[in-house]
Amino acid sequence: GENVEQHPSTLSVQEGDSAVIKCTYSDSASNYFPWYKQELGKGPQLIIDIRSNVGEKKDQRIAVTLNKTAKHFSLHITETQPEDSAVYFCAAYYSGGYQKVTFGIGTKLQVIP
Amino acid sequence: DTEVTQTPKHLVMGMTNKKSLKCEQHMGHRAMYWYKQKAKKPPELMFVYSYEKLSINESVPSRFSPECPNSSLLNLHLHALQPEDSALYLCASSQGGQGDYEQYFGPGTRLTVT
Repeated sequence: GENVEQHPSTLSVQEGDSAVIKCTYSDSASNYFPWYKQELGKGPQLIIDIRSNVGEKKDQRIAVTLNKTAKHFSLHITETQPEDSAVYFCAAYYSGGYQKVTFGIGTKLQVIP
Repeated sequence: DTEVTQTPKHLVMGMTNKKSLKCEQHMGHRAMYWYKQKAKKPPELMFVYSYEKLSINESVPSRFSPECPNSSLLNLHLHALQPEDSALYLCASSQGGQGDYEQYFGPGTRLTVT
């Protein structure tokens, strides 16, 4: 089955700095890679995603890059703000008639004002 | 409306109780999911319903029994749970069909088994 490794497990940055979280996956059949933000007491919220036929996607301060050959993808947050503090999960999906999803272990991001 | 609602928000139950968790979405999605999330861990997939049919059961113990009465509702019936079943139970939905990907999560039900 799919295995997704995520690092770092914790990340502290100063407000205004950039944050980068990296994930690697094992199954070359995985074809969709979302990033979720989970705040305390809430369910995961999709913040950005990328499909296997795209190398990079950007949405304001958030960007995701995908290297299919190396089987890794990364989340980049620029100009971090205190409200970016949360746990971030990467995930790898395989859709072959139904969805099988494997999550990374999560990264706790703390943005220090 | 991109909201998935879950009730109750919190549930405390004894090991001999029977209870149910409920999930609802009005986005017209045809795939619905149950996940279990332990503290400081990622969500783990339990069940997937696609077009009201159970399509994935990830070897979940029979004390958890899912039900999909219609395309908008998803229930999880609980019976004879163990303390280690205490967790956040998340419901999610997606459009359904091959090639569909985005899943929308509800806020979860925090379950404590005493």
